[in-house]
Amino acid sequence: GENVEQHPSTLSVQEGDSAVIKCTYSDSASNYFPWYKQELGKGPQLIIDIRSNVGEKKDQRIAVTLNKTAKHFSLHITETQPEDSAVYFCAANAGGTSYGKLTFGQGTILTVHP
Amino acid sequence: SAVISQKPSRDICQRGTSLTIQCQVDSQVTMMFWYRQQPGQSLTLIATANQGSEATYESGFVIDKFPISRPNLTFSTLTVSNMSPEDSSIYLCSVRLADSPYEQYFGPGTRLTVT
Repeated sequence: GENVEQHPSTLSVQEGDSAVIKCTYSDSASNYFPWYKQELGKGPQLIIDIRSNVGEKKDQRIAVTLNKTAKHFSLHITETQPEDSAVYFCAANAGGTSYGKLTFGQGTILTVHP
Repeated sequence: SAVISQKPSRDICQRGTSLTIQCQVDSQVTMMFWYRQQPGQSLTLIATANQGSEATYESGFVIDKFPISRPNLTFSTLTVSNMSPEDSSIYLCSVRLADSPYEQYFGPGTRLTVT
């Protein structure tokens, strides 16, 4: 089955700096890679995703890059703000189909210091 | 996206009792899932809720402990049976929508504490 590794487990940055979280996956058939943000006391929120037919996707201050050959993908947050402080999870779908189950990384606790 | 509601939002229960969690979605849903998130941990899939038939459970989870119903496309329940303190977790409903089959959305979660 799919295995997703996520690093780092904790990340501390100053407001205005950039933050990068990296994930690797094992199933070469995976073709969908979402990122979730979970604030304290809330459910995970889908913030950005990428399909395997593109290498990069950007939405304002967040971007995701995908390297299918190396089987890794990354979340980039620029100009970080204290509101970006949360736990971030990456995921990959098993088997490369729209009904494939998502496998989640272990999570990264991001703290943005004012 | 979709509006996903869960009831209750939190509960404190005594060991040996059972709790049923409800999940309601306001959009056309293709797939519904139930996840468990233990304190400080990642998300673990319990089962896929199938409309009108038995749920599909992941390894380590059994129907007797976590019975699931899905009587229609937009509603499902998860029961945590014969609870022990180890069942203290956040339980999350998650869905995929008919108009965006890859994207998966989560409800706000039910925070369960078993004493």
